[in-house]
Amino acid sequence: AQSVTQLDSHVSVSEGTPVLLRCNYSSSYSPSLFWYVQHPNKGLQLLLKYTSAATLVKGINGFEAEFKKSETSFHLTKPSAHMSDAAEYFCVVLAIYNFNKFYFGSGTKLNVKP
Amino acid sequence: EAQVTQNPRYLITVTGKKLTVTCSQNMNHEYMSWYRQDPGLGLRQIYYSMNVEVTDKGDVPEGYKVSRKEKRNFPLILESPSPNQTSLYFCASSLSTAYYNSPLHFGNGTRLTVT
Repeated sequence: AQSVTQLDSHVSVSEGTPVLLRCNYSSSYSPSLFWYVQHPNKGLQLLLKYTSAATLVKGINGFEAEFKKSETSFHLTKPSAHMSDAAEYFCVVLAIYNFNKFYFGSGTKLNVKP
Repeated sequence: EAQVTQNPRYLITVTGKKLTVTCSQNMNHEYMSWYRQDPGLGLRQIYYSMNVEVTDKGDVPEGYKVSRKEKRNFPLILESPSPNQTSLYFCASSLSTAYYNSPLHFGNGTRLTVT
């Protein structure tokens, strides 16, 4: 069965320090992978998507994610956190070979301290 | 501007009073879906539609109805709302789930309170 695991429900960093939000997936095939961000009282906004062209994917607002097939991971990183990065982040998998369904991680709330 | 538009943004209603939340997308997307978001439960799929006149149940369909008469519209209908349907609802669309790397585009959400 397809699943998406976000290993941390809450992450707290200081402004200017690196961010790491972890995501692992289970899939028999290479899935489509996405990261979304949700600010309070807002919808989910696409940060980046894995296109299979490169294992390191660059997204908006300085975020990156690295696809590691051997580890079935797609961790989200940013070199330097900004206060405006405080939000909830979701890892999402599209399992084309499993009823074409989107699977959502449970979310990671990022807190950025001044 | 390419977008998914949901209305209303906020809705307070009483138990049993039928309501409809509208969703429209202007991207010619085939796939549309409804989700509800509750604290501690994440996003759960209610219904989805692969194309016009094709709809199917998601993970939590009880108490909801949908229709897909046109490609752009996918309304969510609560025939007899109950307090346990108080939630934040999101409509989303995608070009097609058959296309690799076709992401979901989300509306801004509808916060529903049923008293």
